[in-house]
Amino acid sequence: AQSVTQLGSHVSVSEGALVLLRCNYSSSVPPYLFWYVQYPNQGLQLLLKYTSAATLVKGINGFEAEFKKSETSFHLTKPSAHMSDAAEYFCAVSEANAGGTSYGKLTFGQGTILTVHP
Amino acid sequence: DAGVTQSPTHLIKTRGQHVTLRCSPISGHKSVSWYQQVLGQGPQFIFQYYEKEERGRGNFPDRFSARQFPNYSSELNVNALLLGDSALYLCASSLVWGQHNSGNTIYFGEGSWLTVV
Repeated sequence: AQSVTQLGSHVSVSEGALVLLRCNYSSSVPPYLFWYVQYPNQGLQLLLKYTSAATLVKGINGFEAEFKKSETSFHLTKPSAHMSDAAEYFCAVSEANAGGTSYGKLTFGQGTILTVHP
Repeated sequence: DAGVTQSPTHLIKTRGQHVTLRCSPISGHKSVSWYQQVLGQGPQFIFQYYEKEERGRGNFPDRFSARQFPNYSSELNVNALLLGDSALYLCASSLVWGQHNSGNTIYFGEGSWLTVV
């Protein structure tokens, strides 16, 4: 069964500092991987997704993530944090069969709340 | 273009009552999914529908049911509400089911906040 672990429920950085949010997954076959952001009292917005095309995935708002199969990781990074990045971030996995067809559902991690200090 | 729209945005129900939540997918999207997000946790998968057929069901009791209509909108129904059903219910839509290529992104609505008292 697929699962996602996000290390660190809270991450605090200074404005301009590197943002690193950690995500490890468990899946029996190469999965599809996602990062979503949730601002207070809002739904989820897709930042980026890995669909096996390239291991380094660039998303919106300057975020990127690297798929490392050997480490079963998909960590999210941003070189320079901005105050507007303060939000909760969710890593998610969607397992696929051997033919690459996804089972559709997303399994989410517990989330990481990012705080950005001036 | 309108995104995924959900109604109502907020509602309060009493234990034992029934609730119906509604979702309109993005125009042209044929797949709709429902997720429950309890405060402080990640969303949990409840149901997925594609072309009006159920394609997946999460680990939720039979009190939870859903359906998809010919216009691809969807309803989530919860019977015999419990305090633990208090959560944000998210609807998501995508063009098709079973693909995550660049042309098939899953979009989420703003959610329906359900409080059970």
